[in-house]
Amino acid sequence: GDSVTQTEGQVTVSESKSLIINCTYSATSIGYPNLFWYVRYPGEGLQLLLKVITAGQKGSSRGFEATYNKEATSFHLQKASVQESDSAVYYCALSDASSGSWQLIFGSGTQLTVMP
Amino acid sequence: GGIITQTPKFLIGQEGQKLTLKCQQNFNHDTMYWYRQDSGKGLRLIYYSITENDLQKGDLSEGYDASREKKSSFSLTVTSAQKNEMAVFLCASSINWGASQNTLYFGAGTRLSVL
Repeated sequence: GDSVTQTEGQVTVSESKSLIINCTYSATSIGYPNLFWYVRYPGEGLQLLLKVITAGQKGSSRGFEATYNKEATSFHLQKASVQESDSAVYYCALSDASSGSWQLIFGSGTQLTVMP
Repeated sequence: GGIITQTPKFLIGQEGQKLTLKCQQNFNHDTMYWYRQDSGKGLRLIYYSITENDLQKGDLSEGYDASREKKSSFSLTVTSAQKNEMAVFLCASSINWGASQNTLYFGAGTRLSVL
């Protein structure tokens, strides 16, 4: 079945430093899955950060970027300069229409802590 | 804009007890979902409802029942709480089921602890 892997459970970065959160996926679709990053800020519900539905393209939001790399089956989240307000839990996810199910498959999440 | 409201925020139960979690959305979305999140794991789909009066089982449906009473509300019942169970249950909605790139909108969650 489909799966999403986030290898880092927790990441700590100093303010103004660069960030990369890794995400790789496995999908059974004969086409390509849609890829998403969701984020949960402290005290808030999970919300969409960005999505990319076409292989090779890049999505961006709030200074974050992620490129859909179909050769590497990766969708890493990057930011050039993080802020304390970026501290949150980030989830990579995919949806795959191969089974006609459309459901979202989530990774285990990465807790980002930005130190002042 | 809209909002998804989950009640209660915290739920403490006894082993074997039947427990009900409620979810309301005012987006006027057709499709609603229940996910379970355990510590260190991704979200897993329990039940979803494509439209009013529809119910579909997700990968984790065993031990749960669901009810889509009306378009705006979707309830989840834990049929028999398991001792020492701890998890967060997340309700979500999307405009419809028809497109795999649809955005899901989530509630803040219900945190369950079983004594």
